[in-house]
Amino acid sequence: QVQLVQSGAEVKKPGASVKVSCKASGYIFPSYGISWVRQAPGQGLEWMGWISAYNGNTDLAQKFQGRVTMTKDASTSTVYMELRSLRSDDTALYFCARVDNTGYDRWGQGTLIIVSS
Amino acid sequence: DIQMTQSPSSLSASVGDRVTITCRASQSISSYLNWYQQKPGKAPNLLIYAASSLQSGVPSRFSGSGSGTDFTLTISTVQPEDFATYYCQQSYSSPRYTFGQGTKLEIK
Repeated sequence: QVQLVQSGAEVKKPGASVKVSCKASGYIFPSYGISWVRQAPGQGLEWMGWISAYNGNTDLAQKFQGRVTMTKDASTSTVYMELRSLRSDDTALYFCARVDNTGYDRWGQGTLIIVSS
Repeated sequence: DIQMTQSPSSLSASVGDRVTITCRASQSISSYLNWYQQKPGKAPNLLIYAASSLQSGVPSRFSGSGSGTDFTLTISTVQPEDFATYYCQQSYSSPRYTFGQGTKLEIK
């Protein structure tokens, strides 16, 4: 079955970086893009960006440009999202989601990132 | 980017009620509108895509309608498991699929 499995929760200090992984299985990896969405505590869903699993092209929301890098490793069917210069307001649950013609049809379980001194 | 606005932000209902949530886009998005349900601490779940198509496995009490800039999600008879937060999402501006701010459905 189609699955997206994300890496585990992390606690980081302000100014540090974090790299979250999203491992896909159960489908042909290059056939679907992956988007990253985050959700701060008690808040709504925020689209961060997208990566093509076919050629690695990315499109990032303006607020994350220069601070976020999205990459892929086709050999392991894994997508990565690195967020740098962490601030307290980056504390959130981070999701990866498979992008289908219908929308985001499969989601990872979420990765909690806590930024605290 | 296309802005999505949902109303209301929260809604109280009883089991068995009919509930409607609306979503408005800042520009015409044809029928490129999706609806998700999210429960606390869990990933969202796709309910409706292309404004009115029911995702496989989703109960038929959920329905969607609309086109252009105005859309609605209706739950015909609310069940206990339906109390959650609902988000609309435009999929017109690929790949920048932005979300509405959410509507929390609470038990009255």
